[in-house]
Amino acid sequence: TQLLEQSPQFLSIQEGENLTVYCNSSSVFSSLQWYRQEPGEGPVLLVTVVTGGEVKKLKRLTFQFGDARKDSSLHITAAQPGDTGLYLCAGPKTSGSRLTFGEGTQLTVNP
Amino acid sequence: GAGVSQSPSNKVTEKGKDVELRCDPISGHTALYWYRQRLGQGLEFLIYFQGNSAPDKSGLPSDRFSAERTGESVSTLTIQRTQQEDSAVYLCASSLRTYGYTFGSGTRLTVV
Repeated sequence: TQLLEQSPQFLSIQEGENLTVYCNSSSVFSSLQWYRQEPGEGPVLLVTVVTGGEVKKLKRLTFQFGDARKDSSLHITAAQPGDTGLYLCAGPKTSGSRLTFGEGTQLTVNP
Repeated sequence: GAGVSQSPSNKVTEKGKDVELRCDPISGHTALYWYRQRLGQGLEFLIYFQGNSAPDKSGLPSDRFSAERTGESVSTLTIQRTQQEDSAVYLCASSLRTYGYTFGSGTRLTVV
């Protein structure tokens, strides 16, 4: 059983569409992070959310941490082909411990 | 250096041979992690070094896998008697404690 469940596993959309991907857990996390991995590269940190209910925006990407700190979502507005990649959420099992990663959402944005 | 450096970037080896993968973390990063990523899949944790503490080896899949780190610098991941199922991308990351990880670009290992 994965500590962090991501959905959907795969998502293929057209350029200009909006999308949301989810990261859920039955456990409370002190923080959650989102990474994006492009082909042939390692994952790159996009954002860290720490406070329950927190919303962070990064250009067309909006990240939200659930009030109970058990889940997070990533919303992309007007997706572009450059958004294509594997999106991973991650969080520490306990405060100060190493990160546990979800299985990821593979996003493909078609021109 | 400015980022995490891994070498080689690609490695093709024959089944049964030993391989050594190298990771140069960001200077000053106390924590170093190794992950394995099979094609189209997520990250599989292998091993974690934090300063001078005993490493967390709980993710190593078999005794053919081992890793070392000298102080807070370079780490090497060694796979002995490679098998075809070892074919994957091996990613290294470093961080200050357990803050955001900085990943290298990985070593793509192919066992033929």
